[in-house]
Amino acid sequence: DAGVTQSPTHLIKTRGQQVTLRCSPKSGHDTVSWYQQALGQGPQFIFQYYEEEERQRGNFPDRFSGHQFPNYSSELNVNALLLGDSALYLCASSLDNLGAFFGQGTRLTVV
Amino acid sequence: TQLLEQSPQFLSIQEGENLTVYCNSSSVFSSLQWYRQEPGEGPVLLVTVVTGGEVKKLKRLTFQFGDARKDSSLHITAAQPGDTGLYLCAGAGFGNEKLTFGTGTRLTIIP
Repeated sequence: DAGVTQSPTHLIKTRGQQVTLRCSPKSGHDTVSWYQQALGQGPQFIFQYYEEEERQRGNFPDRFSGHQFPNYSSELNVNALLLGDSALYLCASSLDNLGAFFGQGTRLTVV
Repeated sequence: TQLLEQSPQFLSIQEGENLTVYCNSSSVFSSLQWYRQEPGEGPVLLVTVVTGGEVKKLKRLTFQFGDARKDSSLHITAAQPGDTGLYLCAGAGFGNEKLTFGTGTRLTIIP
């Protein structure tokens, strides 16, 4: 059983560009959440998708958007990249409040 | 806004010693989860505590959820070099699966 898979693992983008990150949840999980983790800090919640709808959103600007597909996979899009968007982006899937399974993350560097 | 504070932020101890990491908040959570994260990887779930006052043991690791469900602790007995890593606590909200992460404790066990 594959766990949560994310692609790409590393990405370098130029300021002002747009980026799309992808996530496939653990088999059987219907809820996908995205987190941003800056160096030396804990992950910060971006948003959560359930049944193809954004169910919750953290304190992130509208430049951050997402999508969930019928097979529960998900995308995170970031427009007009800023240097401060450089971080590890983590996808987590879950069924309930009893624990989340994380992918290995996508390391985004904005130059 | 829900906040979780962990202490200490950094901890470096000799192999064989015991240690305790604390996770405190002014908010009540439906569950409290502990994760360990290795460099370049996503967080891995260690345990979930749900009931106030609950104690769970995982080999040399003991986790406790405060009676008021606002705080938690992680105690490691006879620490080993393999315990080295970033330890994160995370609180789950009620009726949703959004996780609020603590600031993290970076633990180094010296052989």
